[in-house]
Amino acid sequence: SQQGEEDPQALSIQEGENATMNCSYKTSINNLQWYRQNSGRGLVHLILIRSNEREKHSGRLRVTLDTSKKSSSLLITASRAADTASYFCATDSTGANSKLTFGKGITLSVRP
Amino acid sequence: NAGVMQNPRHLVRRRGQEARLRCSPMKGHSHVYWYRQLPEEGLKFMVYLQKENIIDESGMPKERFSAEFPKEGPSILRIQQVVRGDSAAYFCASSPNEGLWETQYFGPGTRLLVL
Repeated sequence: SQQGEEDPQALSIQEGENATMNCSYKTSINNLQWYRQNSGRGLVHLILIRSNEREKHSGRLRVTLDTSKKSSSLLITASRAADTASYFCATDSTGANSKLTFGKGITLSVRP
Repeated sequence: NAGVMQNPRHLVRRRGQEARLRCSPMKGHSHVYWYRQLPEEGLKFMVYLQKENIIDESGMPKERFSAEFPKEGPSILRIQQVVRGDSAAYFCASSPNEGLWETQYFGPGTRLLVL
């Protein structure tokens, strides 16, 4: 199965609500990154959290990392219709030559 | 500073033809990665290159696929004798030489359709 597995697979919320997406992984990591992909487009880097960090903020984004549970969460506060996209977590495993391992992604729909 | 450039954005090939996908990394970046994304799937690592060197090609199929990153010019992902199963979006990413080297910046992708 995937190194990074996100859940839920799909999430639909109302504009203004918070969206929480989770990611679990299997091996030891150097860092974990979250990316956003709009339909038919490339990936946009959102945030990177290192293995020795527990929480990080960037604007309306909050990422947590629990290495003991091998899991991470991405929280988007006060969601907007423009946040509608697929979100992927990607891990950079130790000894893996910087290659990223992606999950299948979470499809977020924010209703106006 | 222009982002990662990929061309073509869309490529249609018939079975048996060759596909050449190009990637120009961001200025100052010498690390290039290629990933493939099948419909409704996440990205799968294919190959990691630095200038004139293949560092890790563990995700690349052994046959028909090759990649290069010459001293001058873009990185090229080449698929010979394409088959329908090669239809996918191919993304290139680059990272800087130092500093935030772990962060990979992605191009818009090349969508390959094999008829």
